[in-house]
Amino acid sequence: AQSVTQPDIHITVSEGASLELRCNYSYGATPYLFWYVQSPGQGLQLLLKYFSGDTLVQGIKGFEAEFKRSQSSFNLRKPSVHWSDAAEYFCAVGGANNDMRFGAGTRLTVKP
Amino acid sequence: KAGVTQTPRYLIKTRGQQVTLSCSPISGHRSVSWYQQTPGQGLQFLFEYFSETQRNKGNFPGRFSGRQFSNSRSEMNVSTLELGDSALYLCASSLAGISNQPQHFGDGTRLSIL
Repeated sequence: AQSVTQPDIHITVSEGASLELRCNYSYGATPYLFWYVQSPGQGLQLLLKYFSGDTLVQGIKGFEAEFKRSQSSFNLRKPSVHWSDAAEYFCAVGGANNDMRFGAGTRLTVKP
Repeated sequence: KAGVTQTPRYLIKTRGQQVTLSCSPISGHRSVSWYQQTPGQGLQFLFEYFSETQRNKGNFPGRFSGRQFSNSRSEMNVSTLELGDSALYLCASSLAGISNQPQHFGDGTRLSIL
């Protein structure tokens, strides 16, 4: 079965600074990859997904992610963080068996 | 169109009781999945229903069960509640699956066990 690791539990960045959240996965085939964001008291919202094709995918709210097969990674990036980006971010991996695994999440704090 | 609706938003129960949570998916979505979210264990997959059939199940005891109705609405039931069942329960819907399609999440039901 697939698995997901988000190495950073908590990250703090200054508003306007760039952001990169790390995600590593383990899966024997090409996985389906997702990034979701969760604000306090709410459910998860899809930021972007990768199924195949161009390895750099664009999402909502100015986020992008790059699939690197050689590194088994799918890191999320944003060039300039806004205070409203403070939330918890989850990387998720789907496999051919209709299974879905979420990472433990990375909590993002944005300093003014 | 309307998003995924979960009711109730908050629930307080005592040990030994049972509880039923409800989820109304986005119109046209036939797959409904349930997740348990806790600070210690994170997001854990409970089960997925598609066309009224449980298609996939996570590693939870039999006290956790669910069903899906012909209109795709789903309910989740937990019997003989334990303190460790305190969690945010999230429901998600998608067109036809969970691993290769985006899921749309509700805001969850926060269950507290006293």
